[in-house]
Amino acid sequence: KAGVTQTPRYLIKTRGQQVTLSCSPISGHRSVSWYQQTPGQGLQFLFEYFSETQRNKGNFPGRFSGRQFSNSRSEMNVSTLELGDSALYLCASSIPSVEQFFGPGTRLTVL
Amino acid sequence: AQKITQTQPGMFVQEKEAVTLDCTYDTSDPSYGLFWYKQPSSGEMIFLIYQGSYDQQNATEGRYSLNFQKARKSANLVISASQLGDSAMYFCAMREGDQGGSEKLVFGKGTKLTVNP
Repeated sequence: KAGVTQTPRYLIKTRGQQVTLSCSPISGHRSVSWYQQTPGQGLQFLFEYFSETQRNKGNFPGRFSGRQFSNSRSEMNVSTLELGDSALYLCASSIPSVEQFFGPGTRLTVL
Repeated sequence: AQKITQTQPGMFVQEKEAVTLDCTYDTSDPSYGLFWYKQPSSGEMIFLIYQGSYDQQNATEGRYSLNFQKARKSANLVISASQLGDSAMYFCAMREGDQGGSEKLVFGKGTKLTVNP
């Protein structure tokens, strides 16, 4: 069974630009969650999608948004990038209510 | 209030020895799940083990076991027979409302484990 995939793996953007990250969950998993990891703040929850609906949202500004498609694939978008958005973005998929599995992450650098 | 506390920023262990990584948690929800993940320098979060709050027995997965002490709100990870490839960051995480409604995980700050030959 294929694991969680994330694309792209690396991104370099400049301030003010926007970026879209993609996450394909494990087959059969209907929940996708997104996390931001930085050295200063650690791992922080961004949002969770289940059956194309945002079910939970973390404490991030509205520049961070996401969506989920009918095949459970999810995208997150960050608009008007700031230097502080440089981070490793991880997505996790689950059935749900059992184990959660993470993808390899997308490392975003904002210059 | 911090919900997951990992008090050991770094730990060192000799190859083939056992090591315990500490994790305490705080929640008022009777239904919760506890997770341990390993994160090597590559960045990928690797699922190690899961313990539900209603599980009667401690979870085990190969060389990993979870020492779950509910009354003390602790969920320590025990790695037996450490290997050089175990060197990584280890994160403890909790999911509240474990029987449905949210998949949100709250993470601790992690413990960096170094296995010495």
